[in-house]
Amino acid sequence: GESVGLHLPTLSVQEGDNSIINCAYSNSASDYFIWYKQESGKGPQFIIDIRSNMDKRQGQRVTVLLNKTVKHLSLQIAATQPGDSAVYFCAENSGGGNKLTFGTGTQLKVEL
Amino acid sequence: DAGITQSPRHKVTETGTPVTLRCHQTENHRYMYWYRQDPGHGLRLIHYSYGVKDTDKGEVSDGYSVSRSKTEDFLLTLESATSSQTSVYFCAISVSSGRGGEQFFGPGTRLTVL
Repeated sequence: GESVGLHLPTLSVQEGDNSIINCAYSNSASDYFIWYKQESGKGPQFIIDIRSNMDKRQGQRVTVLLNKTVKHLSLQIAATQPGDSAVYFCAENSGGGNKLTFGTGTQLKVEL
Repeated sequence: DAGITQSPRHKVTETGTPVTLRCHQTENHRYMYWYRQDPGHGLRLIHYSYGVKDTDKGEVSDGYSVSRSKTEDFLLTLESATSSQTSVYFCAISVSSGRGGEQFFGPGTRLTVL
């Protein structure tokens, strides 16, 4: 079936470096994508989204890139901080009722 | 938190007992969702609701039922809990009535079935 997956389960970066978290999706009909951050013991927190008619969107310290040709999504975090340590999920919306399909997550660890 | 609360936050129960989890929102959003989160699986949709008395099944609905008699409350029931239903359960709302709206999540309920 259709699935959303992640290339790397764990990513370790030095504080101040940029982080790149990748996500592959397989449903070519998906037209909306979201990145979520989940800290330990908490619910997922919305970070940034992008629609399929865009290939880049920027927020505060975060950028999402969408490559529809290879069905790839990435989240870039600039100047990574200790507070960025969390699990990051990508999700796609390809169905009615605003249903989301989530990837399995990437653990980001920020080393001091 | 988009005004989402879940109760209880933690529950331990025995196999075969019924369990009901409650999700409450304060902002009258139409769409509500129940997910479970397990290691290696991410978040998986159990059931969702378009509005009062309007619900549908998600990816992993077997063994679960839901009810929505008021806009603000979405209940998830395990009729006869099994150990495979040990998980963290998250409720979410969608703030958009159209396609592609982001979802906001509650704090979660950790359920352990012994």
